[in-house]
This record gives sequence, C-alpha cells and structure tokens, in this order.
Amino acid sequence: DAGVIQSPRHEVTEMGQEVTLRCKPISGHNSLFWYRQTMMRGLELLIYFNNNVPIDDSGMPEDRFSAKMPNASFSTLKIQPSEPRDSAVYFCASSLISEGNTIYFGEGSWLTVV
Amino acid sequence: QQQVKQSPQSLIVQKGGISIINCAYENTAFDYFPWYQQFPGKGPALLIAIRPDVSEKKEGRFTISFNKSAKQFSLHIMDSQPGDSATYFCAAASGGGADGLTFGKGTHLIIQP
Repeated sequence: DAGVIQSPRHEVTEMGQEVTLRCKPISGHNSLFWYRQTMMRGLELLIYFNNNVPIDDSGMPEDRFSAKMPNASFSTLKIQPSEPRDSAVYFCASSLISEGNTIYFGEGSWLTVV
Repeated sequence: QQQVKQSPQSLIVQKGGISIINCAYENTAFDYFPWYQQFPGKGPALLIAIRPDVSEKKEGRFTISFNKSAKQFSLHIMDSQPGDSATYFCAAASGGGADGLTFGKGTHLIIQP
C-alpha cells in the first residue's frame, strides 16, 4: 500500500497568499483527519471526516481555514489568506471507522509563510 | 485545556537502559490509548496501543502500563537502542479512536551509545 500521500511536501509562500494542501488517504479507509504540528502547540486535530462528511471542525483555528473532501480518495486543506503564524507541518491521516483501528499519518506538508 | 499531559519533555538514556515516558488524561470518555513514534521529517507512526480493559500490553521491547483509576498510562522501552532515538507521543481517543486522537506534547528521547 502506498500509504497516505500528501502534497506539496514543502511550501514557502508570502503572507496573504492562498495555500492549498492536498491529501490522498489509504485506499479503503473511510476516516480522514487533518492535524497541525508546531513546537509550541504540538499535534492538534483540525478537522476530521467520516465517509467524506465533516464530523468535527472545532479545531480549525479561524475562518481562514477550510477543508473539503469531495470523494473518498481526496481531501484539501485551504488557508486563505495565509499568515506567518500558520507556519507549521500539516499532517493528513486516515483510518477505518471501527474501534481500535490504526490511524496512519502521511509524511506531512511543511508550510512556511513569510 | 490540555487533555493529555505527557512527561518528561526530553529524556536521555544509556544504551541498554529502560526508557519510561508517562502520560495522564482527564477525559473519562477516552477508551483508546496509543503511543506514536516520530522520526525527524516523518509523520507519526503507531508503536503500540492499549484499551482500558487491560492493565498492561507488551510488544517486543515496548510495554504500555495502564492505571484506569489514576487516569495514567506509561510507555516502557526495555533494552533501549540508539535506533529508538525519536520523539514519542502518547494519545487518547474516545470511540475507540474513531473520533480522532488527542496528543500529548511529546517526549524527545535520546539513547546514548
């Protein structure tokens, strides 16, 4: 299995620009999670989807952040407009909706906003 | 509100020694407690997990000890090796993990040769 695939792996953008991060979950998985990792706050759950439906977006920091999952094999996390404090590693993860199943993480998208 | 507290922040252990990382949680609805290992530049990867119906789970050199009444759980790495040097995160979740994981802040472990 190819694992969770994220793109881009690295992005440097200027403040005010739109940023779109992409994720392809593991085939057959029906839960998808977006996490953000920073030194100060650690790993934070931003939003998660079950069967392509957003279940809990209470972790999304501001209205500048939005996430979509148009189908079972693709999700996006968009930041518009981006700010320097959004600089972080953004992880996508997926799993099967059942008790105790492993949540698999991608290798992350490293975002720097200057 | 930090729902999962992890300690220590960093840990240095000699090769062959025992590494111990501790976590405490607040939410009694949590019913799934995994530990993740993260190497630099990589995503977290599941190391071992436990559910509250058992007090201990062992997989190779890695053991989770779980104390439901104290709302605490810990990771023990026996015979620690330099290749174990990484950041370790405890986590907790309700719904068996289906509701997403709440992570501790992480422990940076260094195993000295």
